[in-house]
Amino acid sequence: EDQVTQSPEALRLQEGESSSLNCSYTVSGLRGLFWYRQDPGKGPEFLFTLYSAGEEKEKERLKATLTKKESFLHITAPKPEDSATYLCAVPQYGQNFVFGPGTRLSVLP
Amino acid sequence: DSGVTQTPKHLITATGQRVTLRCSPRSGDLSVYWYQQSLDQGLQFLIQYYNGEERAKGNILERFSAQQFPDLHSELNLSSLELGDSALYFCASSVGSEDNSPLHFGNGTRLTVT
Repeated sequence: EDQVTQSPEALRLQEGESSSLNCSYTVSGLRGLFWYRQDPGKGPEFLFTLYSAGEEKEKERLKATLTKKESFLHITAPKPEDSATYLCAVPQYGQNFVFGPGTRLSVLP
Repeated sequence: DSGVTQTPKHLITATGQRVTLRCSPRSGDLSVYWYQQSLDQGLQFLIQYYNGEERAKGNILERFSAQQFPDLHSELNLSSLELGDSALYFCASSVGSEDNSPLHFGNGTRLTVT
């Protein structure tokens, strides 16, 4: 069964302290790895799609990378407004997207 | 703003009752998806419609049903509600029917069953 796991479950950073979030997946025939950001009480907001190993995408302080087994979301010099839950997801035939449990990021001023 | 509208924002009801959640997709999107999010289960896919027809089904309970209307808005009907149905219900939309198109989510309906 296709699975998506994320680590750590929660991460607290000081403003400006860079770090990375991990998303590991076991799917047969990856057809994209998606990153979303979710603020409390809101729906997930689409960030990136990565399709092949070695691919990288950047948006402001975020950079997503992809290998054959996992994806990383690197956060450089985060600000308090980057605090959110970050979800990764992979498409699965017949089941639409399988989402990971998310990483709750808190950036302290 | 994702462009996906969900109503109502909050719903409180009693066990055994029936409720209807409504979703209007982004302009131009033909696919609508319903997801359930609870603290212990994360985001769980329920069902997808594309241009009025059911396209994919997840672990949707038999007490739940959905439909997509000709104007592309969708409704999720939940009946014989149980305490365990309390959750956030999200609607999402995408342009196509392929299951690797990015999803755009609404802000959800928070359902509380008492």
